[in-house]
Amino acid sequence: GNSVTQMEGPVTLSEEAFLTINCTYTATGYPSLFWYVQYPGEGLQLLLKATKADDKGSNKGFEATYRKETTSFHLEKGSVQVSDSAVYFCALSDSNYQLIWGAGTKLIIKP
Amino acid sequence: GAGVSQSPRYKVAKRGQDVALRCDPISGHVSLFWYQQALGQGPEFLTYFQNEAQLDKSGLPSDRFFAERPEGSVSTLKIQRTQQEDSAVYLCASSLGGRLVKFGEQYFGPGTRLTVT
Repeated sequence: GNSVTQMEGPVTLSEEAFLTINCTYTATGYPSLFWYVQYPGEGLQLLLKATKADDKGSNKGFEATYRKETTSFHLEKGSVQVSDSAVYFCALSDSNYQLIWGAGTKLIIKP
Repeated sequence: GAGVSQSPRYKVAKRGQDVALRCDPISGHVSLFWYQQALGQGPEFLTYFQNEAQLDKSGLPSDRFFAERPEGSVSTLKIQRTQQEDSAVYLCASSLGGRLVKFGEQYFGPGTRLTVT
């Protein structure tokens, strides 16, 4: 079946460091890929998405590229801020509505 | 603007009690989803409504779980005879259309944390 695997957290970085959170997937067909973020005390929010191979999703300085050859959708940011501290979820959808989620990666940014 | 709201935010139930969790989606959103999120895990799909029609309930873990959306707006997730393994955060999400990709994203509520003692 379809699945998403993302790196375990917590990931702890200093402010202005480079961020990578790895995400790989297993799916039949051609899924769409998503990164969601959950800030403390808030609901899940869509951060970015990509709907086909080689697409790059970007938002708020975050980027992720849909790599079909490596079945990956790694999240990157060049310079993180304390306000980026949150839990990040990678997810895929190969149907009209169902999302398959990774376990989430907690990111802690220290000033 | 108004987002997805859920109530109660926290619920403690004794084993065997029935609970009802409410979701108010964004006005005009056609699709509504329920997810269960265990501690340290990603959400797991429970059920999906398009307007008042429950099109998919394949994720409901047992017949103790029941969801409804009678007028195509507010939805209620009911759990009968709660068990300890039902302890989780229950998330509700809505989206504008019936196709995830075409209409973009699902908008999530803050969740209801259910603890069964």
